[in-house]
Amino acid sequence: NAGVTQTPKFRILKIGQSMTLQCTQDMNHNYMYWYRQDPGMGLKLIYYSVGAGITDKGEVPNGYNVSRSTTEDFPLRLELAAPSQTSVYFCASRPDKNQPQHFGDGTRLSIL
Amino acid sequence: AQSVSQHNHHVILSEAASLELGCNYSYGGTVNLFWYVQYPGQHLQLLLKYFSGDPLVKGIKGFEAEFIKSKFSFNLRKPSVQWSDTAEYFCAVNTVEGGADGLTFGKGTHLIIQP
Repeated sequence: NAGVTQTPKFRILKIGQSMTLQCTQDMNHNYMYWYRQDPGMGLKLIYYSVGAGITDKGEVPNGYNVSRSTTEDFPLRLELAAPSQTSVYFCASRPDKNQPQHFGDGTRLSIL
Repeated sequence: AQSVSQHNHHVILSEAASLELGCNYSYGGTVNLFWYVQYPGQHLQLLLKYFSGDPLVKGIKGFEAEFIKSKFSFNLRKPSVQWSDTAEYFCAVNTVEGGADGLTFGKGTHLIIQP
């Protein structure tokens, strides 16, 4: 049972490039989340999904897009990378709203 | 929208000292409360959670927290810390009814335990 798996672990992008951060979970959880963590700050919610085909914006969605075509996968896309998107990105999942979230190991992204 | 405030951004203690980390939230409705720990270079791990019932909850590694509804607080405690407790600690809340889903986190407390 792998839990929540994020790839890649590290990535360096140039300004204006695009990329997709992958997140997959094998626990059949309906709820999935993307957060970003900046130095000295707590995690901030980017997007979330309550099931396949359903996504919604969190606190800081600008510059990102998501899709949820399957229960297992919840990729996060950056279309035009900007230095402000340098951060550590965490994906999380939980079976329902009244259970704690399980976090992946994170993706450290630098935009130069 | 709800918010979470952690009062201490950096705490330095000696081994065997007692620990209390403050957490207050602002939201008028029903909430679920969490403390997560993040060891250096690792992902967040759940320490303990409060959903309902006994306001004193016990978690892993000897941690406990008390929910005081009248004070909107959920402080984390440990009677005797160890060097291995050095980590970042986050308090988080999610609302039970209404609003966007997902956790709202405090800014974290960086705890350093000196041998």
